[in-house]
Amino acid sequence: DTGVSQNPRHKITKRGQNVTFRCDPISEHNRLYWYRQTLGQGPEFLTYFQNEAQLEKSRLLSDRFSAERPKGSFSTLEIQRTEQGDSAMYLCASSLPQIYNTEAFFGQGTRLTVV
Amino acid sequence: AQSVTQLGSHVSVSEGALVLLRCNYSSSVPPYLFWYVQYPNQGLQLLLKYTSAATLVKGINGFEAEFKKSETSFHLTKPSAHMSDAAEYFCAVSRADGGATNKLIFGTGTLLAVQP
Repeated sequence: DTGVSQNPRHKITKRGQNVTFRCDPISEHNRLYWYRQTLGQGPEFLTYFQNEAQLEKSRLLSDRFSAERPKGSFSTLEIQRTEQGDSAMYLCASSLPQIYNTEAFFGQGTRLTVV
Repeated sequence: AQSVTQLGSHVSVSEGALVLLRCNYSSSVPPYLFWYVQYPNQGLQLLLKYTSAATLVKGINGFEAEFKKSETSFHLTKPSAHMSDAAEYFCAVSRADGGATNKLIFGTGTLLAVQP
């Protein structure tokens, strides 16, 4: 499978615990995005990497959230001290550089439930 | 700044009927426009995209959309609905001017139901 892969698909955690999600983009894609989608809403942009550099972070990304993309390959999104409001689907997407006029390919997402 | 408005959070059509899902955008720079489909507990799949070439864009599964700059619209249509079209549809906009991130700004989605 050469698509965007996200793990785990589902995560249930207790409030206050830390969680980490992983995204493996399509291998030749140097751009990687994280989005968050709550019930009944469209995905909202969280952060963007070009290779290993994190070039933009949304104001939605509080200081409890941190994302990394070491070596410009896979990426991780960590949420510390989870809150019930963090319950959402976390989507990862990757794409080629914009000059190739191409779309973002999305993974199947990680659904987080904070209890 | 960019934004997307999808009119109608729920649309219901009969199988074989015309599908029309509305999307209006706001953008201070030339836009790229996209329609994505999402099935339950799945990621998003691209249906079609407008990237400043032809204004009538044909996508997968018989869908098409027309970019109308004067109306700031990018409505999605399909001549004949199929039961398998039942899903949630999202319109999205990004910058066409080489903005650094090329991030997508999504609408709130339209849930399409297809009645037998």
